[in-house]
Amino acid sequence: KAGVTQTPRYLIKTRGQQVTLSCSPISGHRSVSWYQQTPGQGLQFLFEYFSETQRNKGNFPGRFSGRQFSNSRSEMNVSTLELGDSALYLCASSLAIWPGRDTQYFGPGTRLTVL
Amino acid sequence: AQSVTQPDIHITVSEGASLELRCNYSYGATPYLFWYVQSPGQGLQLLLKYFSGDTLVQGIKGFEAEFKRSQSSFNLRKPSVHWSDAAEYFCAVGNNNDMRFGAGTRLTVKP
Repeated sequence: KAGVTQTPRYLIKTRGQQVTLSCSPISGHRSVSWYQQTPGQGLQFLFEYFSETQRNKGNFPGRFSGRQFSNSRSEMNVSTLELGDSALYLCASSLAIWPGRDTQYFGPGTRLTVL
Repeated sequence: AQSVTQPDIHITVSEGASLELRCNYSYGATPYLFWYVQSPGQGLQLLLKYFSGDTLVQGIKGFEAEFKRSQSSFNLRKPSVHWSDAAEYFCAVGNNNDMRFGAGTRLTVKP
């Protein structure tokens, strides 16, 4: 079974631009979560989608948004990029709603650099 | 306030030596507890998890962890470290509404 895939793997953008990241979960998984990982703040939960609905949300500004499609693929959008948005963005999928007891499977991440 | 602490930012051990990575938390009831490993350029991989029952949990790659309620700890152990274990390790603690990750412990393995 194929793992979680994320595209693109690397992105370079400039301040003020917007960016869209994509995540394809493991087949059959209905939950997709997004995380931001930085050296200073560590791993922080952005939001989680289950069956096309956002079920949980972390403490991030409204510039960070996402959506999930009927095939469970998910996209994350960041508008008006700031230098501090430079990070590794990780996507994870699971069978059940997250957070919870279910095992999350992580993708390799998208490395976003904002210049 | 709910929190997860991994006191050791960086640990170096010799190959073949034993390993213990610490995780302390502050949460209400017995939370869900996880340990993940992240190799460079990779996402996180689950090593083991604990919800209830036997407080000693066995995971993949020869790792185990022990839940100690009285100490609010969930330390990860391995009896004999291999060079391939060099990576960053994250403890995660939460419940059905909230999940928090520790800052991570970077493990270096000396030959």
